[in-house]
Amino acid sequence: DAGITQSPRYKITETGRQVTLMCHQTWSHSYMFWYRQDLGHGLRLIYYSAAADITDKGEVPDGYVVSRSKTENFPLTLESATRSQTSVYFCASRGRAGNEQFFGPGTRLTVL
Amino acid sequence: AQKITQTQPGMFVQEKEAVTLDCTYDTSDQSYGLFWYKQPSSGEMIFLIYQGSYDEQNATEGRYSLNFQKARKSANLVISASQLGDSAMYFCAMREWNAGNMLTFGGGTRLMVKP
Repeated sequence: DAGITQSPRYKITETGRQVTLMCHQTWSHSYMFWYRQDLGHGLRLIYYSAAADITDKGEVPDGYVVSRSKTENFPLTLESATRSQTSVYFCASRGRAGNEQFFGPGTRLTVL
Repeated sequence: AQKITQTQPGMFVQEKEAVTLDCTYDTSDQSYGLFWYKQPSSGEMIFLIYQGSYDEQNATEGRYSLNFQKARKSANLVISASQLGDSAMYFCAMREWNAGNMLTFGGGTRLMVKP
């Protein structure tokens, strides 16, 4: 299906485990973004990517790793999950000439 | 300093009435864009409206309009003829052209439409 998808939609893990959240878009958008949304707050940028193999830190990058070997995929890895990383994670993409960011449905991550 | 400030944590509006959600922003860039997103209880982020800093006219999209006052650095969202389905969280966001391509979000306003 066309659009932006995230998997898994829900994930429960334990402190110290590695977790990877997947993001896939079918528009060939240049820009991709990872945000986290904590209860009662707006979204904060974790990492973003302007193109394949180009990534940069956002506002809250600590504890996260990203890669972008293909334009359509932008996985987010928590190398050693902590309880403070319990959050809803949104992936988004944007074309080079466009203004609107398109958001995925989100992944609800719980770290016990 | 907060780049995007939404001072109304929660608001009520009567069905069929208009409502204004406030947003003020802080930037030294001349080129920027302002966005409003809606987040219903189901959780997805829905784009509503966009205003560029050089746009002379206020943006409108159906029942949504953006009251852009550049000198006051405000970008309020006006929803006309509120519907029950408008009950949701609303986020204002800004993209600064000289600060990369990310969006900076405000803390959101929860709108509740009363029947």
